Amino acid sequence: QITLKESGPTLVKPTQTLTLTCTFSGFSLSTSGVGVGWIRQPPGKALEWLTLINWDDEKRYSPSLKSRLTLTKDTSKNQMVLTMTNMDPVDTATYYCVHGSGYDLAFDHWGQGTLVTVSS
Amino acid sequence: SYELTQPPSMSVAPGQTARIPCGGNNIGRKRVHWYQQKPGQAPVLVVYDDSDRPSGIPERFSGSNSGNTATLTISRVEAGDEADYYCQVWDITSDFVFGTGTKVTVL
Repeated sequence: QITLKESGPTLVKPTQTLTLTCTFSGFSLSTSGVGVGWIRQPPGKALEWLTLINWDDEKRYSPSLKSRLTLTKDTSKNQMVLTMTNMDPVDTATYYCVHGSGYDLAFDHWGQGTLVTVSS
Repeated sequence: SYELTQPPSMSVAPGQTARIPCGGNNIGRKRVHWYQQKPGQAPVLVVYDDSDRPSGIPERFSGSNSGNTATLTISRVEAGDEADYYCQVWDITSDFVFGTGTKVTVL
């Protein structure tokens, strides 16, 4: 059974750096065709893909946010960490950790999501 | 950058068929995935690779993709199908792209 769970602050101030951790179980990130990543959703708005790491350690970032994002993984802990710098109120959103598989990595498992509010 | 367009909303009566379009340039050449999101919940994959269903998804959910439009079809709509639906593709220039989302209301 694949599970993913997000953890991190619920409130950050503008210009601060956000750090979110995804702890997952039920699969190995070294399995061919697997990826784990982050997707966010501002309140009342559409889903937006942020970043993903493949089974072969390839890291991919949203072109529009690439300069602000860093993705790292700790295989021994089955964790993935997202860092987003220079947070702004427009970054207020629910952040989801996701598992992808298949040819084009359909996101077949999602964490429950964590709401991050950016406010002074 | 690659864009996917969906109608903001649609209404359908119980027992009828809902067809949710997703428009994109030559989307027929890409593999399209569809997600259902109910209020306050994380999205759920309901169709992948244009027309395949994950285990546990009812056969009432089906997909097609051709030309510039992909379509998610929900047959025999039930009250529990009321949700937001998003299409998604992978694009070589934009990586993973989501549609604008369609809110389906069951009358």
